[in-house]
Amino acid sequence: GDSVTQMEGPVTLSEEAFLTINCTYTATGYPSLFWYVQYPGEGLQLLLKATKADDKGSNKGFEATYRKETTSFHLEKGSVQVSDSAVYFCALSDMEYGNKLVFGAGTILRVKS
Amino acid sequence: GAVVSQHPSRVICKSGTSVKIECRSLDFQATTMFWYRQFPKQSLMLMATSNEGSKATYEQGVEKDKFLINHASLTLSTLTVTSAHPEDSSFYICSALSLPGVYDNEQFFGPGTRLTVL
Repeated sequence: GDSVTQMEGPVTLSEEAFLTINCTYTATGYPSLFWYVQYPGEGLQLLLKATKADDKGSNKGFEATYRKETTSFHLEKGSVQVSDSAVYFCALSDMEYGNKLVFGAGTILRVKS
Repeated sequence: GAVVSQHPSRVICKSGTSVKIECRSLDFQATTMFWYRQFPKQSLMLMATSNEGSKATYEQGVEKDKFLINHASLTLSTLTVTSAHPEDSSFYICSALSLPGVYDNEQFFGPGTRLTVL
């Protein structure tokens, strides 16, 4: 079945540092890829998505590019802020499985001032 | 974006009792709602897919008689954990999928319900 693997955390960075959270996937079809963010005490929110190869999703300074050749969807941000501290989940949705979301394990990001 | 609420946010119950968790889409209609379970420091695991007016579809390994799901309207789905035991203690999260053509088929997540079974 489909699966998502993302780097283990926690990731601890200083404010204004560059962020990369790696995500790779395995899928039989042509999935859509997502990054969700979960702030403390809140539900998951869609951060960005990409629906086909070479698409770049972007939002709030975060970016991720759908790389079919490396089956990856790494999340990046050029300059993190304390307010970015949260748990980040990579996920995929495959039409072959009824568009259900398959999540990675989540990566805790802690940004220090 | 759209808002999904869950109630209660936390519940503590005794072993053997049943607990009902509500999931509501507050400002949109949802033909499909999903129920997830999240263990500490682990990912979300899909338990079941709930479609308005029909029986829920459960993922492999999820006991449908233990986790009763009802999706009686386009804005409300409920998950009832029957005869709860300590191993059912977990964080339960729901999401709602908007009607086709609305919000680009995005799933909106509730804030979750922390269940502790003593």
